[in-house]
Amino acid sequence: DAKTTQPNSMESNEEEPVHLPCNHSTISGTDYIHWYRQLPSQGPEYVIHGLTSNVNNRMASLAIAEDRKSSTLILHRATLRDAAVYYCILFLGGTSYGKLTFGQGTILTVHP
Amino acid sequence: DTAVSQTPKYLVTQMGNDKSIKCEQNLGHDTMYWYKQDSKKFLKIMFSYNNKELIINETVPNRFSPKSPDKAHLNLHINSLELGDSAVYFCASSPVVTGGLNGYTFGSGTRLTVV
Repeated sequence: DAKTTQPNSMESNEEEPVHLPCNHSTISGTDYIHWYRQLPSQGPEYVIHGLTSNVNNRMASLAIAEDRKSSTLILHRATLRDAAVYYCILFLGGTSYGKLTFGQGTILTVHP
Repeated sequence: DTAVSQTPKYLVTQMGNDKSIKCEQNLGHDTMYWYKQDSKKFLKIMFSYNNKELIINETVPNRFSPKSPDKAHLNLHINSLELGDSAVYFCASSPVVTGGLNGYTFGSGTRLTVV
């Protein structure tokens, strides 16, 4: 599985934007970039995913570099509820049996 | 509510016992998974089933036996429990088995403590 690198931790203030980076320099052409988060004492929660183009949904935005070797998850206005571990995962696309392989993730702390 | 539900939420048992964890999804998904999260918080895939067929077995000891009676259910039976089996076990499902196109939906986890 292609590897991702994320900072161990980040901090933000409530109602400010948060940019969570992820490096994936060995990404292949068929790898999708997935983001999940895990709130304390809960199961992982799907946030967003993309292949080449930037993506927006109600939870966040995903900005993908032109060479696809890095991406950034953007939370437009952080709330206390966004405090979680955020995982950036490369997921093999196509017809193969894929699987989500979690790394260490980034612990996001949101200050009131 | 549409969801992935696991039972029990907590399970405390003695070494050597046999226990089962049940998982059900009412999302109409074809594929279900079991993940283990250890004390260091690493999430590792254990098994994946697609329409009742085992497709991923990640070198898990054969004391762990998943069973899928239908595509909406994936249960995990563990024989001869060991201290190292203490962890949080998460069930998940996804619409299709092929990668990339869809997100997974996870259950809220079963915290297993072996004493």
